[in-house]
Amino acid sequence: DVKVTQSSRYLVKRTGEKVFLECVQDMDHENMFWYRQDPGLGLRLIYFSYDVKMKEKGDIPEGYSVSREKKERFSLILESASTNQTSMYLCASSFEGRKAFFGQGTRLTVV
Amino acid sequence: SQQGEEDPQALSIQEGENATMNCSYKTSINNLQWYRQNSGRGLVHLILIRSNEREKHSGRLRVTLDTSKKSSSLLITASRAADTASYFCATVWDYKLSFGAGTTVTVRA
Repeated sequence: DVKVTQSSRYLVKRTGEKVFLECVQDMDHENMFWYRQDPGLGLRLIYFSYDVKMKEKGDIPEGYSVSREKKERFSLILESASTNQTSMYLCASSFEGRKAFFGQGTRLTVV
Repeated sequence: SQQGEEDPQALSIQEGENATMNCSYKTSINNLQWYRQNSGRGLVHLILIRSNEREKHSGRLRVTLDTSKKSSSLLITASRAADTASYFCATVWDYKLSFGAGTTVTVRA
């Protein structure tokens, strides 16, 4: 079975902490994505990556950064977590714009 | 801003009825995809339609695409309780995958 794995299902962090969300895929996909999902707003793209060490800003990159040192791993970093970053975070991967595979999501609460 | 907008936001139907939801988008696309999300879980891919296609079928799903109107529709025929979920359209342009806000479908037994 193909898999996208996010490191945590639930996380609770304090305001101001640096937070790392990890995503690993085993399909050798070039493209990887980070979204946040909030009620009524659907999925909003934070960052995506075309390939190793390549990244593009999505629609809401402020307050986030990403790292892609290896093809299979795409990390989302919250430099200084704030309460308005409390959300569900979803990672996905795809090959050449074809169907994407999603992880199960990380529900992050910033207190 | 988001690329796609689904309509309606929510839909409640009786088991056995058809469910139709629409998606409008703003820019050029290579393809358009539909996904389903069951409560609290990750998204699952349902169907992909390329920009040069007008209609596609997969089981009980029928998707149409009108690139002149920048719109797509998803029809689920003979709905079942298990179809209760949120449905999202997503557009792809230059490998970038962008989603809309989704339609929540409730199928009543």
